[in-house]
This record gives sequence, structure tokens and C-alpha cells, in this order.
Amino acid sequence: EAQVTQNPRYLITVTGKKLTVTCSQNMNHEYMSWYRQDPGLGLRQIYYSMNVEVTDKGDVPEGYKVSRKEKRNFPLILESPSPNQTSLYFCASSTRRGDGYTFGSGTRLTVV
Amino acid sequence: SQQGEEDPQALSIQEGENATMNCSYKTSINNLQWYRQNSGRGLVHLILIRSNEREKHSGRLRVTLDTSKKSSSLLITASRAADTASYFCATFESGGSYIPTFGRGTSLIVHP
Repeated sequence: EAQVTQNPRYLITVTGKKLTVTCSQNMNHEYMSWYRQDPGLGLRQIYYSMNVEVTDKGDVPEGYKVSRKEKRNFPLILESPSPNQTSLYFCASSTRRGDGYTFGSGTRLTVV
Repeated sequence: SQQGEEDPQALSIQEGENATMNCSYKTSINNLQWYRQNSGRGLVHLILIRSNEREKHSGRLRVTLDTSKKSSSLLITASRAADTASYFCATFESGGSYIPTFGRGTSLIVHP
């Protein structure tokens, strides 16, 4: 089944403790991106990648890192999480820029 | 990046009725996409309409695009309780931006 897989689905962590949210797609998509969704603010793009080793900032990149060493994986790294990064995170992929996205099921992160 | 705006924010109808939601945006676009999100889940791509298209259909969905008014509408005909979800429009600006802009969504409730 064609899908984007995120892990974990839920995560509670403490301020400052580094964490990684994994994202993997099995559709050979070139384009991958990370979003956060907050009430009243909608979806905002954090980072995107157009291909292996090619990444760029979205609208809200501060406090996040990404890497794209393989085409299928695009992990999101929070080096020192803070409470304002409590949010619902989505990974998404598409064949190329401007095409429809396939979204993962989301990761609900709480930073205390 | 500019944000699309859906209208209304919330819509409550009876099963069998039609549901119409609108999306307005500010700049020239390459394409506009509609997505559905069931509570807390990932977004699901519904339909993509390009800037040179005026209308598109997919099953019970009908999307129109008026580039002169910078607006789009999504019509769901003969709605069902299973259509209860939030609906988002996403725009890709023409001119090379890799950042799609999502609106805040319309919350649709269809009563059985």
C-alpha cells in the first residue's frame, strides 16, 4: 500500500531532550516536507526537500532540523525541544513540486 | 507566504444536502488543491485544479476556480455523515515557490 509512515504517533517529552520523528514513504516520491498544525493557525511548513541531500526552510524552521540521506526517509529532529513546539506534526510527500500530497497519520508531540 | 482563507469556518447540514465551501487567496497561483482531514488524522488529497482550468469533478465533488476573483469553491453533493471532516484549500503560487499555503479550513458536520 502506498503510504507515508510517521513514528511515533504520540510523544511526550521534557524541555531540552533531543528527539527525532521519523518519516518514510514507499512511493519513490522526490518531494517531502514537514508541517505543524496548531489550532487557529492551520498548517505551516517547517522544512521541505526536493531530493536527496536537498533541503530548504519553510515558513517556521526555527528549532528544527531535517536530513535527507535517502530518498524514502525524511526525519525531523528537535535538538532542544521547548513547550512552544507542542503541536501536531505531519510529514507529506509528492511526486514533484505542485502535485498533490500524501500525508502521514501525524505525530502529536507534547513538550513539558 | 500568503494564506488562503476558507469560508465559512464551520458548516452544519443534514445528510442529503449539498455543502459548499469557499477559498480565497491573494496572489497568482499555479494550482489549487483541496484536502480533507478527519479529526486528528492526516490530510487526504481530494482534487487539484490548475490555473487554466475553471471546473473539475470527482465523484460527488465539484471544484470551481475563478482566477479573476482569486477564489475557488468546493461543492459536495448529496452529503453523507462520513463527509464530516475539515476541508482545506492549498495554493501553490506561480513563480517558483516551493511552499504551498494552506488555509485554516472549514469544519463540516453532516447530521444523519
